[in-house]
Amino acid sequence: GDSVTQMEGPVTLSEEAFLTINCTYTATGYPSLFWYVQYPGEGLQLLLKATKADDKGSNKGFEATYRKETTSFHLEKGSVQVSDSAVYFCALSEIGGADGLTFGKGTHLIIQP
Amino acid sequence: EAGVTQSPTHLIKTRGQQATLRCSPISGHTSVYWYQQALGLGLQFLLWYDEGEERNRGNFPPRFSGRQFPNYSSELNVNALELEDSALYLCASSLAPGQGNYEQYFGPGTRLTVT
Repeated sequence: GDSVTQMEGPVTLSEEAFLTINCTYTATGYPSLFWYVQYPGEGLQLLLKATKADDKGSNKGFEATYRKETTSFHLEKGSVQVSDSAVYFCALSEIGGADGLTFGKGTHLIIQP
Repeated sequence: EAGVTQSPTHLIKTRGQQATLRCSPISGHTSVYWYQQALGLGLQFLLWYDEGEERNRGNFPPRFSGRQFPNYSSELNVNALELEDSALYLCASSLAPGQGNYEQYFGPGTRLTVT
């Protein structure tokens, strides 16, 4: 079946540092890819998405590019802030959405001032 | 535009009891998904409803069930509660299959504690 692999962390960075969270996937079809963010005590918020190869999703300074050849969707941000501290989930959905979203285990990001 | 809402926020039950969780999707969304987020197990797909029908379920026993109402809101029922059912239950809604890019929008969750 489908799967998503991402570093679990915690990942600790200083404010204004460059962020990369790696995400790789295995899928039987041609999935759509997503990054979600979960702040403490809250549900998941959609951060960005990409639906086909070489698409770049971006939002709030975060970016990720759909790399079909390496089955990857790494999340990057040029300068992180304390408010970016959260858990980040990489996820995929096969066409049709029948199996829901397949999530990675989540990466806990801690930004220190 | 109102987001996905869930109730109750917290629910405490005793082993063997039944729990009922509720979800209202974003207006215009016909699909509702349920997920379990248990400590150490990550996010796992539970059930998918669309147009009032159960379309698919994840690897969970039959005591996890639910339904979708004509207004597309949904209910998750967990019967014969076990201690390991303690988790955050997340509901998500999306456009009908084929009408979007399969992105799902999540509610704040219901924290179920089984004692």
